[in-house]
Amino acid sequence: QKEVEQNSGPLSVPEGAIASLNCTYSDRGSQSFFWYRQYSGKSPELIMSIYSNGDKEDGRFTAQLNKASQYVSLLIRDSQPSDSATYLCAVLSNFGNEKLTFGTGTRLTIIP
Amino acid sequence: GAVVSQHPSWVICKSGTSVKIECRSLDFQATTMFWYRQFPKQSLMLMATSNEGSKATYEQGVEKDKFLINHASLTLSTLTVTSAHPEDSSFYICSASPDRVISPLHFGNGTRLTVT
Repeated sequence: QKEVEQNSGPLSVPEGAIASLNCTYSDRGSQSFFWYRQYSGKSPELIMSIYSNGDKEDGRFTAQLNKASQYVSLLIRDSQPSDSATYLCAVLSNFGNEKLTFGTGTRLTIIP
Repeated sequence: GAVVSQHPSWVICKSGTSVKIECRSLDFQATTMFWYRQFPKQSLMLMATSNEGSKATYEQGVEKDKFLINHASLTLSTLTVTSAHPEDSSFYICSASPDRVISPLHFGNGTRLTVT
């Protein structure tokens, strides 16, 4: 079982709609969760971090965390063509052996 | 915000030669730097962690004699790919942290290495 799993996509969403990206992780001791956006040929850019169960909103982005289900998601409201990118979920493992583990990413395409 | 500069952004080299990639933290002292590798359509894989003034810690499966890491100052770490082969062609990305734990914010722009 992979440590961090994401659907590879591609996920196509009409402009203005809500894009929903999902991620599951295997290490129950994980404490910190991150979503990165990566444009083709570029390095990742941090867009959201979440540390406790529930929702965290920042502009058009909402991160959701459910530690019991080992599940973290990212919602993008009012999707724009500029949101088209690969979204990487990353999980920081438990204390003492901190390592940022990335999922393989979900490719999102916003259709104008 | 904090900036991590990586150079070169792309490089093409012949098989058997060595290539050096630099990673600089421009506005903070990077106690720890991380080197990742990303193959096409795959995720970032941590190669090694380097702490200023000490030997790098390599992840399982990464050859330390092939991927030489030097972190001689608090603002500069280098990754040298020695005797490069076509299978080393990849996107190499560094990340810098002001302390000894991972700071997920500060990534370099990456280096695209192509070995012919």
